[in-house]
Amino acid sequence: GAGVSQSPSNKVTEKGKDVELRCDPISGHTALYWYRQSLGQGLEFLIYFQGNSAPDKSGLPSDRFSAERTGGSVSTLTIQRTQQEDSAVYLCASSNTGSHSLSLSGNTIYFGEGSWLTVV
Amino acid sequence: AQSVAQPEDQVNVAEGNPLTVKCTYSVSGNPYLFWYVQYPNRGLQFLLKYITGDNLVKGSYGFEAEFNKSQTSFHLKKPSALVSDSALYFCAVRATYGQNFVFGPGTRLSVLP
Repeated sequence: GAGVSQSPSNKVTEKGKDVELRCDPISGHTALYWYRQSLGQGLEFLIYFQGNSAPDKSGLPSDRFSAERTGGSVSTLTIQRTQQEDSAVYLCASSNTGSHSLSLSGNTIYFGEGSWLTVV
Repeated sequence: AQSVAQPEDQVNVAEGNPLTVKCTYSVSGNPYLFWYVQYPNRGLQFLLKYITGDNLVKGSYGFEAEFNKSQTSFHLKKPSALVSDSALYFCAVRATYGQNFVFGPGTRLSVLP
């Protein structure tokens, strides 16, 4: 697609429920990232997928969080047994790390609009 | 390990005045450096990047940034600020090809009319 697409854009869920957030990266991008951002705050790295390599999961805050990337494209971030502290914007991004190009698109990370999660 | 510092949480500037948002980094090897802007309730938008070549990089909306290797800095600048520039600005670094991006904590820019 033309840009990184995330769904749902907004999600309100009850404490204890599981949620799935979807990210569709820019076509052809080999790297995909998930970040979390609390209201007006900085970015918290969650997980990074690069091609067929094992993902870097070092940012996942607990074992309630998991993510997968199927077929090297779409990714799903799953939060099990949601807690109120999970409320945040979940941002997905992708980049074309397969290029050494100095063009605008090379080596640049592009973000989606985010999925706003509220746990009540 | 890579790291990015944005020493100012908040920058206030009057409309029409020049603005600077500071960024310093720590990385092994040659850095790739980026600036992103986030408007309220939106995702991050790419502004500009330094990969190699000329130390002064020009980007979107009249912004520019200067790479200074000796000071390990990549400050964002604009000659004349607009109220519409008010937003949250993030600096990011990437050490080498294929590695993860590291973002700074963000600086909130307020341009006062």
